[in-house]
Amino acid sequence: SQQGEEDPQALSIQEGENATMNCSYKTSINNLQWYRQNSGRGLVHLILIRSNEREKHSGRLRVTLDTSKKSSSLLITASRAADTASYFCATGLVNQAGTALIFGKGTTLSVSS
Amino acid sequence: SQTIHQWPATLVQPVGSPLSLECTVEGTSNPNLYWYRQAAGRGLQLLFYSVGIGQISSEVPQNLSASRPQDRQFILSSKKLLLSDSGFYLCAWSSGNEDTQYFGPGTRLTVL
Repeated sequence: SQQGEEDPQALSIQEGENATMNCSYKTSINNLQWYRQNSGRGLVHLILIRSNEREKHSGRLRVTLDTSKKSSSLLITASRAADTASYFCATGLVNQAGTALIFGKGTTLSVSS
Repeated sequence: SQTIHQWPATLVQPVGSPLSLECTVEGTSNPNLYWYRQAAGRGLQLLFYSVGIGQISSEVPQNLSASRPQDRQFILSSKKLLLSDSGFYLCAWSSGNEDTQYFGPGTRLTVL
């Protein structure tokens, strides 16, 4: 069954606006990661946040994690047309380090200029 | 630096034909290796993972199999393809107990 579920499924914004994507999960986790996928390509790792962290930044990306609500959000600030892609959250399950990540179905982000 | 290769990039096969997709990793030793399948507009489904040569764990029972004949080589196979095997197949690797995975460019498989 799907561990992570992203919301919304699709998001369309203008360049310069901020984009926020959410992810909910069901079971206890070691960490939560966000990946990006351009159409027809492999996934690229963006950021990892551990279960004992609440917020993490990387460039224009900001990720929050609320383990009490079993949810995370990815904020992309000052979006660009090049940010157009699908974004997936993935959870690393407790006691399964290095073995399995469970991916959500993704949010498709479209940034128009 | 580490790199991961997959081939072929695209493949069109008839139903009932065999399949062999290959994935190789360079620049690291004893990686954990993974095969995923992504159906159109869907998320990733983990098919197999391997923590060492000859060690394969299957997540989803199906007509696919995986093998790891060498430390940095991971092969996905089928004896007889089904229409439902169509999809985008992604190989990934991770290092030791690190959870971050690094993905190859993928193989687009169409079964007709």
